[in-house]
Amino acid sequence: NAGVTQTPKFQVLKTGQSMTLQCAQDMNHNSMYWYRQDPGMGLRLIYYSASEGTTDKGEVPNGYNVSRLNKREFSLRLESAAPSQTSVYFCASSEYRTAVILGQYFGPGTRLTVT
Amino acid sequence: GENVEQHPSTLSVQEGDSAVIKCTYSDSASNYFPWYKQELGKGPQLIIDIRSNVGEKKDQRIAVTLNKTAKHFSLHITETQPEDSAVYFCAALAATNAGKSTFGDGTTLTVKP
Repeated sequence: NAGVTQTPKFQVLKTGQSMTLQCAQDMNHNSMYWYRQDPGMGLRLIYYSASEGTTDKGEVPNGYNVSRLNKREFSLRLESAAPSQTSVYFCASSEYRTAVILGQYFGPGTRLTVT
Repeated sequence: GENVEQHPSTLSVQEGDSAVIKCTYSDSASNYFPWYKQELGKGPQLIIDIRSNVGEKKDQRIAVTLNKTAKHFSLHITETQPEDSAVYFCAALAATNAGKSTFGDGTTLTVKP
């Protein structure tokens, strides 16, 4: 049981390049989330998927797109990277239903630098 | 929307002392309050949680209390150890908000041996 896995662990991009961050969970959770964490700051929600087949914007969605490929996988795409997107990106999953909410399980993060 | 404030931003204690971190929230619809521990270079890890129908929950050396009337909740760590040094985040969620969490800004806890 690996929990939440993310690839790659580190990435350096040049301004204007694109890339996709991959996330997968093996806990059969229905909800998945993408966050960014900047130095000394908390977690800001980029996009989330409450259930397979649905995605919604979070607090800071500009410059990003997501795909909920199936129940296990949720990817984050940067179409044209900018230095302001230099950050650590975390994927998380949880089992969410209206009557029951549970805490989130986070992946190890992807450290992205855009030069 | 929900707003969560967390204090203090940094906390330094001697090994064996207690540590308390406090959070306040604004949305009375929030009914689930998890706490996360983030060690250097790792993702946040859920360590304890409390629901709005419970006033206190304890798990070994850590406990969480909730005051719904005042809209605040706290994390208590007793008999602190150097391995408790980390960044701690509180969060608040409402059942009607698609499981989205609003996080506090974090508290950096340092336990001095």
